[in-house]
Amino acid sequence: ELKVEQNPLFLSMQEGKNYTIYCNYSTTSDRLYWYRQDPGKSLESLFVLLSNGAVKQEGRLMASLDTKARLSTLHITAAVHDLSATYFCAVDLYNNNDMRFGAGTRLTVKP
Amino acid sequence: NAGVTQTPKFQVLKTGQSMTLQCAQDMNHEYMSWYRQDPGMGLRLIHYSVGAGITDQGEVPNGYNVSRSTTEDFPLRLLSAAPSQTSVYFCASSPGTGGNTIYFGEGSWLTVV
Repeated sequence: ELKVEQNPLFLSMQEGKNYTIYCNYSTTSDRLYWYRQDPGKSLESLFVLLSNGAVKQEGRLMASLDTKARLSTLHITAAVHDLSATYFCAVDLYNNNDMRFGAGTRLTVKP
Repeated sequence: NAGVTQTPKFQVLKTGQSMTLQCAQDMNHEYMSWYRQDPGMGLRLIHYSVGAGITDQGEVPNGYNVSRSTTEDFPLRLLSAAPSQTSVYFCASSPGTGGNTIYFGEGSWLTVV
């Protein structure tokens, strides 16, 4: 059974600091997605990573995928309060949008 | 462009009642799916459809039915509601299954008492 593990599950950081969220998964897959969810809201797609070594950046967020290590990272650079949200990674199990989500990382950025 | 529209947004059901959560998308997407999200957890796939007339089970299909008679609509039916089905339900769509961006609806909050 596929397991998708995110860590940390809770992250409190100061504005201006850098940090990385990790997403490990237990089966072979070359499709990984990152989403953001604000409290009580829907999911917003951040990144779609489709191959080993894929790296994508948007603003202060950068995501990467290492399919050999079964690991994706979401790196936050110089955090700002607006980045406070829950971040989910999801693995496309059979390359057919059959997604398995991690439990999410609740990020709080403090002034 | 409305995107993915879900109704109702909030619903309270009694145990044993049935109901249908509606989902419509106006982006001509072939792929649609339903997820549930329980507190403190990620989303879990209930059912999905790769096109009109085609549906399949996801990770947690028991207690739910779906149909896809048109490209636009993908309703989720709860056959006999149970308290364990209290959750937030999200509908999603994408152009296909080729690594496309997946768009989510706003969610439907369901409480079964």
